[in-house]
Amino acid sequence: EAGVTQSPTHLIKTRGQQATLRCSPISGHTSVYWYQQALGLGLQFLLWYDEGEERNRGNFPPRFSGRQFPNYSSELNVNALELEDSALYLCASSRFPNTQYFGPGTRLTVL
Amino acid sequence: AQKITQTQPGMFVQEKEAVTLDCTYDTSDPSYGLFWYKQPSSGEMIFLIYQGSYDQQNATEGRYSLNFQKARKSANLVISASQLGDSAMYFCAMREGGASGSARQLTFGSGTQLTVLP
Repeated sequence: EAGVTQSPTHLIKTRGQQATLRCSPISGHTSVYWYQQALGLGLQFLLWYDEGEERNRGNFPPRFSGRQFPNYSSELNVNALELEDSALYLCASSRFPNTQYFGPGTRLTVL
Repeated sequence: AQKITQTQPGMFVQEKEAVTLDCTYDTSDPSYGLFWYKQPSSGEMIFLIYQGSYDQQNATEGRYSLNFQKARKSANLVISASQLGDSAMYFCAMREGGASGSARQLTFGSGTQLTVLP
């Protein structure tokens, strides 16, 4: 069984640009979660999607947004990038409400 | 207040010995789940073990066991017979809410960096 996949592996952007990160869940999983792991801040919950709907979001500004597609894959968009958005972005999937399995992450660097 | 506390930023253990990584949690929700994940330097979070708040027995998965003490709100991870490949960051996490709960996200502790010495 294939695990959670994320693309790209690395992404380099400049301040003010937009970034799009993608995640494909494990087959049969309908929930997708996004987390940010920034240096010194630990892992913080960003967004949770289930069955195509946003179910919950963490304490992040509206320029962090996303969506879930009919095939349950998901996209995270970060607009107006700021230097402090540099982080590892981890996507996880689960067959609600069970264990979350994580992908390898996308490392976003904002210059 | 911190929901998940891991008080050991770094731990060292000799190969083949057992090691305990501490985790305490804080919740008023009667239904919750506790998880341990391993994060090697590559960055991927690897699920290790799960304990539900209503589980009567401590969870075990191979060399991993979870020492669940509900009254003390602790969920320590025990790794037996440590291997060099166990060197990684270990995170304790909690999910609050039962099946009807609206929150499904995990809250993570700050992690413990485990180094296994040859």
